Amino acid sequence: DAKTTQPPSMDCAEGRAANLPCNHSTISGNEYVYWYRQIHSQGPQYIIHGLKNNETNEMASLIITEDRKSSTLILPHATLRDTAVYYCIGGGTSYGKLTFGQGTILTVHP
Amino acid sequence: EAGVAQSPRYKIIEKRQSVAFWCNPISGHATLYWYQQILGQGPKLLIQFQNNGVVDDSQLPKDRFSAERLKGVDSTLKIQPAKLEDSAVYLCASRPAGAASYEQYFGPGTRLTVT
Repeated sequence: DAKTTQPPSMDCAEGRAANLPCNHSTISGNEYVYWYRQIHSQGPQYIIHGLKNNETNEMASLIITEDRKSSTLILPHATLRDTAVYYCIGGGTSYGKLTFGQGTILTVHP
Repeated sequence: EAGVAQSPRYKIIEKRQSVAFWCNPISGHATLYWYQQILGQGPKLLIQFQNNGVVDDSQLPKDRFSAERLKGVDSTLKIQPAKLEDSAVYLCASRPAGAASYEQYFGPGTRLTVT
């Protein structure tokens, strides 16, 4: 699985867009980029994943650079409930194995 | 749709004691995972089952940890004997069968404290 690098923490004002970056320069051509988040005292929750193209769902948008070495998760209108640890994971090729890193602690403040 | 169920939610034991955790995955999910999450770190995969067969247990400390998934449904994870460094949250996750199923569904976890 690809090694990913994320900032340890970020802040965002409620109602504004939260843009969470991730570097995955060692990702291979058939590895996906996954984003999960973990709210305090809960299990991780899937957000979105992508391979090459940008993706959008009801929770977020995922922007992947053309060289696939980095990506950005966008929460368009952050709320206080979006305060969580966000994990960017490169992989998923072998029976869906996920290797979690340290993640980014996103704090949304009023 | 019912989520992944885990029990107990909390457990406190003394070192050298034994403990077991139980996981009931989402109905029909073929793949089941056990993760260990130490405070301040991301989850680490311990073992992965496909139906009732082990796919990956490379990071399972086999001298003290064991896991089984009888009949390809429920699973138990056991630690015997426990060490102080086993204090962590143990997460169970499941995933539907098929290459197009990417999302893992996590349970709430069992918080283990070893004293």
